[in-house]
Amino acid sequence: GAGVSQSPSNKVTEKGKDVELRCDPISGHTALYWYRQSLGQGLEFLIYFQGNSAPDKSGLPSDRFSAERTGGSVSTLTIQRTQQEDSAVYLCASSFEIIWSAGELFFGEGSRLTVL
Amino acid sequence: GDSVTQMEGPVTLSEEACLTINCTYTATGYPSLFWYVQYPGEGLQLLLKATKADDKGSNKGFEATYRKETTSFHLEKGSVQVSDSAVYFCALSDNQAGTALIFGKGTTLSVSS
Repeated sequence: GAGVSQSPSNKVTEKGKDVELRCDPISGHTALYWYRQSLGQGLEFLIYFQGNSAPDKSGLPSDRFSAERTGGSVSTLTIQRTQQEDSAVYLCASSFEIIWSAGELFFGEGSRLTVL
Repeated sequence: GDSVTQMEGPVTLSEEACLTINCTYTATGYPSLFWYVQYPGEGLQLLLKATKADDKGSNKGFEATYRKETTSFHLEKGSVQVSDSAVYFCALSDNQAGTALIFGKGTTLSVSS
Protein backbone atom coordinates (compact mmCIF):
# COMPACT_ATOMS: atom_id res chain seq x y z
CA GLY A 1 0.00 0.00 0.00
CA ALA A 2 0.94 3.65 0.00
CA GLY A 3 1.01 4.14 3.76
CA VAL A 4 3.79 4.05 6.32
CA SER A 5 5.00 0.50 6.72
CA GLN A 6 6.62 -0.84 9.88
CA SER A 7 8.20 -4.18 10.61
CA PRO A 8 8.07 -6.39 12.49
CA SER A 9 4.56 -5.85 13.75
CA ASN A 10 5.38 -7.87 16.84
CA LYS A 11 8.71 -8.68 18.42
CA VAL A 12 9.36 -10.69 21.54
CA THR A 13 12.91 -10.71 22.81
CA GLU A 14 14.88 -11.59 25.86
CA LYS A 15 16.35 -9.01 28.17
CA GLY A 16 19.82 -7.99 27.04
CA LYS A 17 19.30 -8.72 23.35
CA ASP A 18 19.48 -6.07 20.62
CA VAL A 19 16.49 -5.35 18.41
CA GLU A 20 15.99 -3.45 15.16
CA LEU A 21 12.70 -1.93 14.10
CA ARG A 22 12.17 -0.78 10.55
CA CYS A 23 10.08 2.03 9.10
CA ASP A 24 9.35 2.60 5.43
CA PRO A 25 7.79 6.06 5.08
CA ILE A 26 5.43 7.31 2.41
CA SER A 27 7.36 7.99 -0.77
CA GLY A 28 8.36 11.63 -1.07
CA HIS A 29 7.85 12.47 2.58
CA THR A 30 10.85 14.40 3.83
CA ALA A 31 10.21 14.18 7.56
CA LEU A 32 10.24 10.98 9.61
CA TYR A 33 9.46 10.58 13.30
CA TRP A 34 9.71 7.81 15.86
CA TYR A 35 7.44 7.77 18.90
CA ARG A 36 6.98 5.25 21.70
CA GLN A 37 3.53 4.40 23.00
CA SER A 38 3.47 2.90 26.46
CA LEU A 39 0.41 1.99 28.47
CA GLY A 40 -0.67 5.02 30.46
CA GLN A 41 2.15 7.17 29.08
CA GLY A 42 0.73 8.34 25.79
CA LEU A 43 3.05 9.02 22.89
CA GLU A 44 6.63 9.81 23.76
CA PHE A 45 8.73 11.51 21.09
CA LEU A 46 12.01 9.72 20.39
CA ILE A 47 13.71 11.10 17.29
CA TYR A 48 12.99 13.17 14.20
CA PHE A 49 14.64 13.27 10.78
CA GLN A 50 14.09 16.10 8.31
CA GLY A 51 15.72 15.86 4.91
CA ASN A 52 19.50 16.01 5.12
CA SER A 53 19.56 17.92 8.39
CA ALA A 54 21.03 16.45 11.55
CA PRO A 55 18.32 14.47 13.35
CA ASP A 56 16.69 15.74 16.52
CA LYS A 57 17.63 13.05 19.03
CA SER A 58 16.40 14.92 22.07
CA GLY A 59 13.74 12.33 22.91
CA LEU A 60 15.91 9.23 22.98
CA PRO A 61 15.68 7.90 26.56
CA SER A 62 19.20 6.47 26.79
CA ASP A 63 22.31 5.77 24.74
CA ARG A 64 21.00 2.25 24.15
CA PHE A 65 18.64 3.79 21.62
CA SER A 66 19.78 4.92 18.20
CA ALA A 67 18.23 5.46 14.79
CA GLU A 68 19.37 6.07 11.30
CA ARG A 69 17.72 6.97 8.05
CA THR A 70 19.38 5.76 4.90
CA GLY A 71 19.06 7.62 1.65
CA GLY A 72 16.41 9.88 3.07
CA SER A 73 13.91 7.05 3.08
CA VAL A 74 13.89 3.90 5.23
CA SER A 75 14.68 4.29 8.92
CA THR A 76 15.86 1.77 11.48
CA LEU A 77 15.45 2.20 15.22
CA THR A 78 17.92 0.08 17.19
CA ILE A 79 17.64 -0.74 20.85
CA GLN A 80 20.71 -2.34 22.38
CA ARG A 81 20.75 -4.49 25.49
CA THR A 82 16.98 -4.34 25.80
CA GLN A 83 15.38 -3.92 29.20
CA GLN A 84 11.86 -4.81 30.31
CA GLU A 85 10.94 -1.13 30.51
CA ASP A 86 11.59 -0.90 26.77
CA SER A 87 8.41 -2.92 26.18
CA ALA A 88 6.05 -0.66 24.23
CA VAL A 89 4.62 -0.01 20.80
CA TYR A 90 7.08 1.91 18.63
CA LEU A 91 5.36 4.15 16.13
CA CYS A 92 6.82 5.68 13.02
CA ALA A 93 5.28 8.63 11.20
CA SER A 94 6.18 10.63 8.14
CA SER A 95 5.09 13.93 6.70
CA PHE A 96 5.58 15.90 3.54
CA GLU A 97 5.90 19.25 5.19
CA ILE A 98 7.88 20.30 8.16
CA ILE A 99 5.41 20.15 11.04
CA TRP A 100 5.69 23.82 11.83
CA SER A 101 3.68 24.47 8.73
CA ALA A 102 0.92 22.42 10.36
CA GLY A 103 1.36 19.52 8.04
CA GLU A 104 -0.26 16.19 8.81
CA LEU A 105 1.63 13.23 10.23
CA PHE A 106 0.92 9.82 8.74
CA PHE A 107 1.48 6.98 11.17
CA GLY A 108 2.29 3.33 10.68
CA GLU A 109 0.54 0.67 12.71
CA GLY A 110 3.51 0.28 14.98
CA SER A 111 5.90 -2.41 16.13
CA ARG A 112 4.95 -3.99 19.44
CA LEU A 113 8.07 -4.89 21.42
CA THR A 114 7.90 -7.22 24.39
CA VAL A 115 11.05 -7.76 26.43
CA LEU A 116 10.90 -10.81 28.66
CA GLY B 1 8.52 23.11 28.13
CA ASP B 2 5.46 22.67 26.00
CA SER B 3 2.92 20.12 27.17
CA VAL B 4 -0.57 18.78 26.59
CA THR B 5 -2.95 17.57 29.28
CA GLN B 6 -6.10 15.68 28.40
CA MET B 7 -8.76 14.13 30.54
CA GLU B 8 -8.18 10.69 31.88
CA GLY B 9 -10.23 7.87 30.49
CA PRO B 10 -11.76 5.60 29.79
CA VAL B 11 -14.93 7.35 28.74
CA THR B 12 -17.91 5.07 28.32
CA LEU B 13 -21.02 6.35 26.56
CA SER B 14 -24.19 5.05 25.03
CA GLU B 15 -24.85 5.59 21.36
CA GLU B 16 -26.22 9.08 20.56
CA ALA B 17 -24.82 10.58 23.78
CA CYS B 18 -22.87 13.85 23.75
CA LEU B 19 -19.10 13.70 24.01
CA THR B 20 -16.58 16.15 25.39
CA ILE B 21 -12.92 15.26 25.86
CA ASN B 22 -11.02 18.05 27.56
CA CYS B 23 -7.59 19.13 26.40
CA THR B 24 -5.47 21.98 27.72
CA TYR B 25 -2.00 22.99 26.69
CA THR B 26 1.05 24.89 27.84
CA ALA B 27 3.14 26.52 25.17
CA THR B 28 5.18 29.59 24.43
CA GLY B 29 4.20 31.43 21.31
CA TYR B 30 1.32 30.39 19.11
CA PRO B 31 1.07 26.63 18.64
CA SER B 32 -1.02 24.69 16.19
CA LEU B 33 -3.38 22.18 17.81
CA PHE B 34 -4.50 18.76 16.66
CA TRP B 35 -6.71 15.83 17.54
CA TYR B 36 -5.56 12.43 16.36
CA VAL B 37 -7.60 9.23 16.60
CA GLN B 38 -6.45 5.62 16.84
CA TYR B 39 -9.11 3.08 15.92
CA PRO B 40 -8.60 -0.50 17.13
CA GLY B 41 -5.89 -2.22 15.12
CA GLU B 42 -5.06 0.87 13.09
CA GLY B 43 -2.43 3.59 13.10
CA LEU B 44 -3.05 7.09 14.40
CA GLN B 45 -4.71 9.42 11.96
CA LEU B 46 -5.42 13.11 11.99
CA LEU B 47 -9.00 13.89 12.98
CA LEU B 48 -8.93 17.69 12.94
CA LYS B 49 -6.66 20.66 13.48
CA ALA B 50 -6.63 24.39 14.16
CA THR B 51 -3.72 26.68 13.51
CA LYS B 52 -4.68 29.93 15.24
CA ALA B 53 -6.81 31.27 18.04
CA ASP B 54 -10.59 31.02 17.58
CA ASP B 55 -10.21 28.60 14.67
CA LYS B 56 -12.61 25.66 14.75
CA GLY B 57 -11.49 22.32 13.38
CA SER B 58 -14.16 19.85 12.34
CA ASN B 59 -14.38 16.40 10.79
CA LYS B 60 -16.74 13.40 10.97
CA GLY B 61 -19.10 15.31 13.26
CA PHE B 62 -16.33 16.16 15.72
CA GLU B 63 -15.40 19.76 16.50
CA ALA B 64 -12.77 21.55 18.56
CA THR B 65 -12.21 25.28 18.98
CA TYR B 66 -8.78 26.79 19.67
CA ARG B 67 -9.28 28.91 22.79
CA LYS B 68 -6.21 30.95 23.57
CA GLU B 69 -7.72 32.61 26.63
CA THR B 70 -8.26 29.27 28.33
CA THR B 71 -5.42 27.44 26.51
CA SER B 72 -7.87 24.72 25.58
CA PHE B 73 -8.87 22.62 22.56
CA HIS B 74 -11.71 20.43 23.80
CA LEU B 75 -13.08 17.76 21.45
CA GLU B 76 -16.86 17.59 21.12
CA LYS B 77 -19.44 15.56 19.28
CA GLY B 78 -23.16 15.89 19.65
CA SER B 79 -24.13 12.28 19.02
CA VAL B 80 -21.55 9.50 19.20
CA GLN B 81 -21.73 6.20 17.36
CA VAL B 82 -20.34 2.78 18.17
CA SER B 83 -17.84 3.31 15.35
CA ASP B 84 -16.37 6.28 17.26
CA SER B 85 -14.89 3.90 19.82
CA ALA B 86 -11.17 4.63 19.72
CA VAL B 87 -8.32 6.34 21.53
CA TYR B 88 -8.19 10.11 21.04
CA PHE B 89 -4.97 12.11 21.36
CA CYS B 90 -4.66 15.86 21.67
CA ALA B 91 -1.41 17.28 20.31
CA LEU B 92 0.38 20.53 19.65
CA SER B 93 3.10 21.85 17.44
CA ASP B 94 5.04 24.91 18.51
CA ASN B 95 5.48 25.84 14.86
CA GLN B 96 9.23 26.03 15.19
CA ALA B 97 11.17 24.40 12.41
CA GLY B 98 12.60 21.04 13.31
CA THR B 99 10.32 20.16 16.19
CA ALA B 100 7.93 17.25 16.53
CA LEU B 101 4.35 17.05 17.71
CA ILE B 102 3.80 16.83 21.46
CA PHE B 103 0.99 14.47 22.39
CA GLY B 104 -1.25 14.04 25.40
CA LYS B 105 -1.62 10.64 27.02
CA GLY B 106 -4.74 9.72 25.10
CA THR B 107 -8.34 9.15 26.10
CA THR B 108 -10.08 5.87 25.38
CA LEU B 109 -13.69 6.19 24.27
CA SER B 110 -16.03 3.21 24.31
CA VAL B 111 -19.50 3.60 22.83
CA SER B 112 -22.12 0.92 23.35
CA SER B 113 -25.33 0.40 21.43
